Amino acid sequence: EDQVTQSPEALRLQEGESSSLNCSYTVSGLRGLFWYRQDPGKGPEFLFTLYSAGEEKEKERLKATLTKKESFLHITAPKPEDSATYLCAVQALSQGAQKLVFGQGTRLTINP
Amino acid sequence: NAGVMQNPRHLVRRRGQEARLRCSPVKGHSHVYWYRQLPEEGLKFMVYLQKENIIDESGMPKERFSAEFPKEGPSILRIQQVVRGDSAAYFCASSPSGRNEQFFGPGTRLTVL
Repeated sequence: EDQVTQSPEALRLQEGESSSLNCSYTVSGLRGLFWYRQDPGKGPEFLFTLYSAGEEKEKERLKATLTKKESFLHITAPKPEDSATYLCAVQALSQGAQKLVFGQGTRLTINP
Repeated sequence: NAGVMQNPRHLVRRRGQEARLRCSPVKGHSHVYWYRQLPEEGLKFMVYLQKENIIDESGMPKERFSAEFPKEGPSILRIQQVVRGDSAAYFCASSPSGRNEQFFGPGTRLTVL
């Protein structure tokens, strides 16, 4: 069964304090790994898709990386507006499989 | 371009009533997905539909839940005879053909009294 585990569950940082969020996964053939941001009371907002080990994607203060077993979301010099829950999800290569399997998320708080 | 639209945003039902949740995908997207987020739990896949077809309903509870995506109009998630355990946020997502990214709507928060 495909599984995603995110750590830590919650993380508090000071503004400007860089850190990384972890997403470990097991999947029967990876079609893609996805990162989303979710603010309270809202739907997940798409951030990145990663397809193969070694791939990296960047957007503003965020950089996502992928290995064969895990993905990291690096946050450089975060600002309070980066506070949100960050969700990781995998999509399997199985024929017809389009569903996303999500982790529990990491709740990130950036203090000014 | 409008994103995924869901209505209502909040829905209150008494036990035993029916709940109908609507989702209009991004214009041009032909794939629709429904997910459920229970309090303090992660997002769980329910069903994947294309126009007039259910492709994968492996995450749907066996009873009381049904979904459709007709040729015209929005996708509908129907929950019959709701129970308190159905209280959750229900999210719809859509994707275009040939792409894997799914774009989510704002969700419908269902409360069962």
